[in-house]
Amino acid sequence: DIVLTQSPALAVSLEQRATISCKTSQNVDNYGISYMHWYQQKPGQQPKLLIYEGSNLASGIPARFSGSGSGTDFTLTIDPVEADDIATYYCQQSKDYPTFGAGTKLELK
Amino acid sequence: EIQLQESGPGLVKPSQSLSLTCSVTGYTITSGYDWSWIRKFPGNKMEWMGYISNSGSTNYNPSLKIRISITRDTSKNQFFLQLNSVTTEDTATYYCARGYYSSYWFAYWGQGTLVTVSS
Repeated sequence: DIVLTQSPALAVSLEQRATISCKTSQNVDNYGISYMHWYQQKPGQQPKLLIYEGSNLASGIPARFSGSGSGTDFTLTIDPVEADDIATYYCQQSKDYPTFGAGTKLELK
Repeated sequence: EIQLQESGPGLVKPSQSLSLTCSVTGYTITSGYDWSWIRKFPGNKMEWMGYISNSGSTNYNPSLKIRISITRDTSKNQFFLQLNSVTTEDTATYYCARGYYSSYWFAYWGQGTLVTVSS
């Protein structure tokens, strides 16, 4: 298994930048593609795809969300944070069979 | 617009089989993509369980390989999950989702259905 490690929680103020990290136990890049994807999930809802292949914004997702990183270190950035962004964020790799991080709960400071 | 909807029993007894249906509208499952089952345990851990491809081939999470089967009914545009010999550890919210070929991100998800394993 490729293990993904996320911090359990991050406290942030509205209008500020949130940086959520995801570290993988193995390189998830291949032929120039990072097989790293990010989701947002709110209570009672299904996960919503935000970013695919490391840095590509999914359809309908505001440009406040961005993804970066390569190899084993990846970051989801929300800038600026809005109230509607309070949720849990998951990273997922697909270099091997898909695995997910444990999620980072974004909270208001 | 593509929509996925899970259905099935919300309560299963230990040692029995868990069976769920994913009904897809707005896209024909034989036209493309792979069709996955993913579950989220209490405590938020998420696990990809397996997929059935548009051509009918399957691929399973190695940790579940001896207990899982994913099949489909193309006439109804549905695919199915069967998980055998369940224990309380299989209590989770089960989602069906569409996977983007080999890059495997999931842009479309069902709402999820909670399955509790309890006697």
